[in-house]
Amino acid sequence: AQKITQTQPGMFVQEKEAVTLDCTYDTSDQSYGLFWYKQPSSGEMIFLIYQGSYDEQNATEGRYSLNFQKARKSANLVISASQLGDSAMYFCAMRVFSNDYKLSFGAGTTVTVRA
Amino acid sequence: DAMVIQNPRYQVTQFGKPVTLSCSQTLNHNVMYWYQQKSSQAPKLLFHYYDKDFNNEADTPDNFQSRRPNTSFCFLDIRSPGLGDAAMYLCATSRVRAYQETQYFGPGTRLLVL
Repeated sequence: AQKITQTQPGMFVQEKEAVTLDCTYDTSDQSYGLFWYKQPSSGEMIFLIYQGSYDEQNATEGRYSLNFQKARKSANLVISASQLGDSAMYFCAMRVFSNDYKLSFGAGTTVTVRA
Repeated sequence: DAMVIQNPRYQVTQFGKPVTLSCSQTLNHNVMYWYQQKSSQAPKLLFHYYDKDFNNEADTPDNFQSRRPNTSFCFLDIRSPGLGDAAMYLCATSRVRAYQETQYFGPGTRLLVL
């Protein structure tokens, strides 16, 4: 079975500072994809960044980067230079063959950016 | 821009009155998903279509049905909504079912049951 764990229910961060959101995963599949989504209060689930299990370099997308530590089964999201608009719920998710490639979500982390 | 569209964004229905939520996509993706999300929880997959092939989750109540008349459109029918069905309903698409394929979500429909 596969599992995603996000241990931080909520976090506060000062505007312009960086924040790291933790995500650990568990799967026996060798091939897997890790995804981060942002969900603001409007409800839309916005795709942020993807990391494949065979990718040797950490993924980056603008102010988002993924700190991928395969041996530790960790895929933390780093948001640099936080903005007020980054206030949202953030979900870590995974797709694997053994789960028919359905998205398995973590419980989510709520980020509040303070001015 | 290619996208996933959901209508309506807000839906109010009465207890027991059938309701239909719609989803359309311009991405030409083969897979379409329906999720239910309750407050402060992760989305829960209800079912998905791979082309015309319907895949129901084992714990999805019979009260929930879906139709996909063509590649672009997918509907969620709730036959007799209960108070517990009030939630955000998210539609998502994926080009194919593969570990590296991103699921793209629509803006969601918030359902209120009175």
